[in-house]
Parts: sequence; structure tokens; C-alpha cells
Amino acid sequence: GENVEQHPSTLSVQEGDSAVIKCTYSDSASNYFPWYKQELGKRPQLIIDIRSNVGEKKDQRIAVTLNKTAKHFSLHITETQPEDSAVYFCAASHTGTASKLTFGTGTRLQVTL
Amino acid sequence: GAGVSQSPSNKVTEKGKDVELRCDPISGHTALYWYRQRLGQGLEFLIYFQGNSAPDKSGLPSDRFSAERTGESVSTLTIQRTQQEDSAVYLCASSLVDAQPQHFGDGTRLSIL
Repeated sequence: GENVEQHPSTLSVQEGDSAVIKCTYSDSASNYFPWYKQELGKRPQLIIDIRSNVGEKKDQRIAVTLNKTAKHFSLHITETQPEDSAVYFCAASHTGTASKLTFGTGTRLQVTL
Repeated sequence: GAGVSQSPSNKVTEKGKDVELRCDPISGHTALYWYRQRLGQGLEFLIYFQGNSAPDKSGLPSDRFSAERTGESVSTLTIQRTQQEDSAVYLCASSLVDAQPQHFGDGTRLSIL
């Protein structure tokens, strides 16, 4: 089955700096890669996703890149703000035949003033 | 409804008791997923329902776990003879047809004494 690894487990940045979180996946058939943000005690919230037919997607301060050959994808947050502090999870799935999401272990991002 | 609804939000029970957790997906979403999140960890897939197809039960950790879904609406996850290692947040998600993205509920926090 699919295996997703995520690094780093914790990340501390100063407000205004950029943050990068990286994930690798094992199943070359995976074609959908979402990122979820989870604040303490809250539900995971989808912040951005990418499908395997594109290499990059951007939404304001958040971007995701995908390298299918290397089987890795990354989340980039620019101009970080204190409200970006949360746990971020990457995930992978193969829509159509195995839609369950396989999640990474999470990255705790802390944005300091 | 406006979002995925789960009940109860919290459940405390004694070891050995049975528990039932409920999920009400977003109206019109035919795909429904259950995940488990242990404290400080990522989400583990449990089971997936899609329309009238046989559910994907590959993530259920033991035969004490079972789930049902009535048509394309409410689902219940049942844990029999609960054990302390069952303590976790149980999250439900739904999506349109067999596609992504998945939208999560607030979860049920289960504590086994």
C-alpha cells in the first residue's frame, strides 16, 4: 500500500519568513495530493491540493509543488503570520480506485513574532 | 447540511463497553470515510463507503471494529469491547462521488477508562 513520509516534524520560523514542508510517497499510481491544516482540537481543514497532471499550484501565500518522477511534493508558505501556526498534514490517494487518503505524520509549524 | 456532522463530540466509557459513533455527511456526498487520530499523531484510514459498492474495510484494526451506512446518508462506527488503546479522535469525512477533496467533521473524542 501507499506510504507517505513527511519532514520536518517541527518547524519554527519568524513572522514574515517562508516555511517549507516536504513529503514523499511510495505508490506511483497516486494522483491526488492534498494538504490539511489542523489547529489544536479542531478538524483538519483543506488548504490546497494538487493533482498529478500539474507540477505546481498557488493560492495567495500558499503553493504546492509536485515532482512525479521523484515522488515528492512540498508545501510552501510565504510571508508567514502567527495564525499560520498549526499542524500541517500531507496526504496521497489514487482517485477512482483507492480514494482513501494516506497521511503523513504531520509538521507542527510555529510562527514566532 | 452545511458540513460533516459527528456525534457525540466526546465520549468517555469504561473498558469493555461497546460504543457507537455517528457521522452525518454533507448532503449529496456519496463517499464517506472514517479515520482515527491518536494523540499527537497523523490520521489512520479505517473504512470507506461509496454508494452501493462494498465498503473498503482494509483499515479496520480488528474485528471489534465495524461500520454501517444507510444508503448515502448517516454512518455509524461501532467499537465492541473497547480497550484503552482505542482512545483517540475518530474523524469522519465525505466527498462527492468517488472524487476529492474530502471534508472532515469535528470528530468524536473517545476516552476509554
